[in-house]
Amino acid sequence: DIVMTQSPDSLAVSLGERATINCKSSQSLLYILNNKNYLTWYQQKPGQPPKLLIYWASTRASGVPDRFSGSGSGTDFTLTISSLQAEDVAVYYCQQCSSFPLTFGGGTKVEI
Amino acid sequence: EVQLLESGGGLIQPGGSLRLSCGASGFTISSYAMSWVRQAPEKGLEWVSSISANGANTYLTDSVKGRFIISRDNSKNTVYLEMNWLRAEDTAVYFCAKYYGDYVYDPFSAWGHGTLVTVSS
Repeated sequence: DIVMTQSPDSLAVSLGERATINCKSSQSLLYILNNKNYLTWYQQKPGQPPKLLIYWASTRASGVPDRFSGSGSGTDFTLTISSLQAEDVAVYYCQQCSSFPLTFGGGTKVEI
Repeated sequence: EVQLLESGGGLIQPGGSLRLSCGASGFTISSYAMSWVRQAPEKGLEWVSSISANGANTYLTDSVKGRFIISRDNSKNTVYLEMNWLRAEDTAVYFCAKYYGDYVYDPFSAWGHGTLVTVSS
């Protein structure tokens, strides 16, 4: 199974400041034939289901503000919130969709 | 608007069975792979099962193999999760998720609000 390790477990960021979340996979998520990294980021606010933020490591989902960006390739990935807003308080999860069983990171709680 | 509505959760004794349903609206599920993901209380997300768009291929996490069955009825726009021999560790909110497309390696583009399954005597 591919193990997904997120860091940090939690972080507190001031409004307007940058938040950076890291995600490391135990195997490469890069599929050479299409040059896609099968790494997805979700946002889960309290009491709500997860919401798709970023897929294929760096493609922003429809309607997601451009302050959210994803980067990385192979085994190391980063989610960046360039200017934290109050509505961004949530837990963020990375997930690999490269092979079964699909696996998630443990989550990173972002607070103000 | 894409909507997923889970039902069928509840309190069940260890060893019991439940069938969860996920009714979809706003889109036709026959064009999409579908999945179930669970979240134990105050814990992270755990993928449980996926099914291809035509139902020909199914996938299960190891801890539920031999106990859970995923299925779909495209004519009813509904996905199911039959859960047997339930254990305390199956206690969780079960989310239904729609894939981005018909590929089981796509991301999950929409989620329901979940249904709570509590396994306890």
